[in-house]
Amino acid sequence: RKEVEQDPGPFNVPEGATVAFNCTYSNSASQSFFWYRQDCRKEPKLLMSVYSSGNEDGRFTAQLNRASQYISLLIRDSKLSDSATYLCVVNIAGGATNKLIFGTGTLLAVQP
Amino acid sequence: SQTIHQWPATLVQPVGSPLSLECTVEGTSNPNLYWYRQAAGRGLQLLFYSVGIGQISSEVPQNLSASRPQDRQFILSSKKLLLSDSGFYLCAWSVFGGGSYEQYFGPGTRLTVT
Repeated sequence: RKEVEQDPGPFNVPEGATVAFNCTYSNSASQSFFWYRQDCRKEPKLLMSVYSSGNEDGRFTAQLNRASQYISLLIRDSKLSDSATYLCVVNIAGGATNKLIFGTGTLLAVQP
Repeated sequence: SQTIHQWPATLVQPVGSPLSLECTVEGTSNPNLYWYRQAAGRGLQLLFYSVGIGQISSEVPQNLSASRPQDRQFILSSKKLLLSDSGFYLCAWSVFGGGSYEQYFGPGTRLTVT
């Protein structure tokens, strides 16, 4: 089983739509969770951290379910500029440094 | 504010040639530093990480090596490139010992081995 699994997509949605991405992780001791965004041929950029109580940043809402080892990202009112690959990221607990495991990403294409 | 630089941005090298990619971070002290590779259509693979000058940990056996000669400088090298070394190489930093674990990436170097 992969340490972080995501549906690769692509998710093709019209502008204004709401879209949700899901992610599962295998290490129950993981403590920190993130969503990164990666545009084509660019570096990943931190979109938001995911907190146990769930958190929102504008049109983006992240949820964490520790019992099910499941993370989600909801994007409301999709914009053309939201088109990108969204990476689910989980830290590896323990050790002297911060090692993150990246999912392979979910591709979102917002259509006009 | 912190910034991270990588160069070159793109590189085309023949098989068997040496490689040196450089990464520098500004605006922070004693960061953790990381080298990743992203092959075409694949996820990010952690290659090396460093928690301090001269301290390098390798994640996967490979044809590459890393060095950290200064606090905010991280170098990725190879003596002889293989075709399979082609990919998008990303350097990242994070806060040393911080309670949060997010990492911040440089713009990357796109390497094509021919």
